[in-house]
Amino acid sequence: KAGVTQTPRYLIKTRGQQVTLSCSPISGHRSVSWYQQTPGQGLQFLFEYFSETQRNKGNFPGRFSGRQFSNSRSEMNVSTLELGDSALYLCASSLAISGGQETQYFGPGTRLLVL
Amino acid sequence: DAKTTQPPSMDCAEGRAANLPCNHSTISGNEYVYWYRQIHSQGPQYIIHGLKNNETNEMASLIITEDRKSSTLILPHATLRDTAVYYCIVRVAPLTGTASKLTFGTGTRLQVTL
Repeated sequence: KAGVTQTPRYLIKTRGQQVTLSCSPISGHRSVSWYQQTPGQGLQFLFEYFSETQRNKGNFPGRFSGRQFSNSRSEMNVSTLELGDSALYLCASSLAISGGQETQYFGPGTRLLVL
Repeated sequence: DAKTTQPPSMDCAEGRAANLPCNHSTISGNEYVYWYRQIHSQGPQYIIHGLKNNETNEMASLIITEDRKSSTLILPHATLRDTAVYYCIVRVAPLTGTASKLTFGTGTRLQVTL
C-alpha cells in the first residue's frame, strides 16, 4: 500500500506570495492532519480534516487554511507569506475510526523557503 | 494530553540494544503511549504504541511500567540507520471521526556509532 504523498517536496517563495501544498493520504484513510516543523518551535499541529470538515485546529493565524476533498486528499494554503513561514510542512493520515489505537502516518513533507 | 520528559541525547554502539526512556508521570488511564522517530529532514515514522501491556513489533519493543508513569523503547540491535530523533507522545483515545493532534516534545536524539 502506498504511503502518504506530499507535493511539491521543495518550494521557494517570496514574502507576500501565497502557496498551496498538497497531501494524498494512504488509501482508505479519511483523516488528514497538517503540522509545521521549524528549528525553533519544533513540530506544531496546524489542523485536521475528516470527511471534508475541519475537526481540530492549532494556534496559527488565519493566513493558514486548508481543505479536504471528497477523495480525502487535502490541501493547505498559506497566504501573504512571511519569512517565519519557512518550515517543513508535514501531512499525516489516519483511518480515524473509533478506538484509542488510532495511528497517524506521516508523509515526507514539503520544505518551504520564504525569501 | 500528558506531558513527557525524555533525555535530550543518547549514544549507542552499533549492534547493541538502545534503551530510550520516557517519563509520563501525569498519564491518565485512557492515554496511550506512542513512539515516533524522525530521521533528519524526513517525516516522522511511527514505531510502536501501547496502553499498559508491553508491546513488540518488527521494529522495537515498548516496556511500560506497572504504574504507567514511565516507559522504555528498546531497539534490540541498533544500526547506523537508527540514528534519529525519537519522540515519546502520550495521547487520549480519539473520538470517532477525528485523529486528534499529536503533541511532540523535543525528543531524544539517538546517535548510533560504529
